[in-house]
Amino acid sequence: AQSVTQPDIHITVSEGASLELRCNYSYGATPYLFWYVQSPGQGLQLLLKYFSGDTLVQGIKGFEAEFKRSQSSFNLRKPSVHWSDAAEYFCAVGAGGAQKLVFGQGTRLTINP
Amino acid sequence: EPEVTQTPSHQVTQMGQEVILRCVPISNHLYFYWYRQILGQKVEFLVSFYNNEISEKSEIFDDQFSVERPDGSNFTLKIRSTKLEDSAMYFCASAGGAGNQPQHFGDGTRLSIL
Repeated sequence: AQSVTQPDIHITVSEGASLELRCNYSYGATPYLFWYVQSPGQGLQLLLKYFSGDTLVQGIKGFEAEFKRSQSSFNLRKPSVHWSDAAEYFCAVGAGGAQKLVFGQGTRLTINP
Repeated sequence: EPEVTQTPSHQVTQMGQEVILRCVPISNHLYFYWYRQILGQKVEFLVSFYNNEISEKSEIFDDQFSVERPDGSNFTLKIRSTKLEDSAMYFCASAGGAGNQPQHFGDGTRLSIL
């Protein structure tokens, strides 16, 4: 069965600092991987996705993620965070765009001024 | 950019009452989903819907739940007799097709059962 682990429940970084949010997945075949962001009171916005090909994928708002099959990881990175990046971040795995998504627990990101 | 819209944004209902959550998926999408997020927990899959029938459902989606696409635009989730533990944020999502098509989510309906 598919599963996703986000080891960090809460991360605090200073504005302008770099960010890495960890995600490990378990899936028997080639996974489809996603990062979504949820601001307070809002829905889930797609940041980026990995289906195949280049293992480094670029997303919106300056985010990128790297798929590492050997480590079953899909970590999200941003070189310099902004106060507006404070939100909850969810990693998800799916068997394909039409299949259900399995989400991780989420990582809450706090930005210090 | 096209959006998935959900109504109402917040629904308060007495335990045992029926509730219908409404969603308007992106217009040319073919696959529809409901997820829920209990406060402080992860987002959980409830059901997927394609070609006017359920394609997959989770163990959460018991006989108290049903989904319907009553016309060409709406997609609804009905809970027949609500329980306290149904209190959660419910998200609707839609996808354009199979394969390389990500799911797009609405802003959710917060359901509070009293």
